Amino acid sequence: DSGVTQTPKHLITATGQRVTLRCSPRSGDLSVYWYQQSLDQGLQFLIQYYNGEERAKGNILERFSAQQFPDLHSELNLSSLELGDSALYFCASSGGTASYNSPLHFGNGTRLTVT
Amino acid sequence: DQQVKQNSPSLSVQEGRISILNCDYTNSMFDYFLWYKKYPAEGPTFLISISSIKDKNEDGRFTVFLNKSAKHLSLHIVPSQPGDSAVYFCAASATLTGGGNKLTFGTGTQLKVEL
Repeated sequence: DSGVTQTPKHLITATGQRVTLRCSPRSGDLSVYWYQQSLDQGLQFLIQYYNGEERAKGNILERFSAQQFPDLHSELNLSSLELGDSALYFCASSGGTASYNSPLHFGNGTRLTVT
Repeated sequence: DQQVKQNSPSLSVQEGRISILNCDYTNSMFDYFLWYKKYPAEGPTFLISISSIKDKNEDGRFTVFLNKSAKHLSLHIVPSQPGDSAVYFCAASATLTGGGNKLTFGTGTQLKVEL
């Protein structure tokens, strides 16, 4: 058990809809990361937050947004969903600081299916 | 642009033998490398890491080797056990301006350890 909690585990929704994925980091970790894993793909970095502030951004679509709240949990919002957004979405946390060279600890992911 | 490449999608090894998983990277700014293991329906689990100032790091049955000139790293598992059967991801990171810790992942290698 990594200590990172993601909800829900599964989500099925229709094209054009909006969903929110939630992540609670490990106790003491200030950094939260979001990754997307599509079929037969590696994990694609979306975004990182540190203590409520955006710290690094990857290949995140404009239809997607994220935030980290004062209690350090994070939400990833996906809107105007398309079939191609179907994927596993992983949250990870690290450090106790924004420390570089700190392994990420992953949750078990949310499987999103867009029909 | 795949900056971290795992060219072998699968590898099959007999129990007790050595498993060697390979990874190549193209970005010379990468200076921290990690290996993760992933079982079905679970998130990736951190295995071992290496800084670019080293060429070898060992942890029990797992050893990671880094060849900076060739931009190549490998993970050796000795002896291999059936429980090692999983997908192994190579990941790399570089210091980002303003902090941050963006890991770039390969597409993974499915290791199967046979009895």
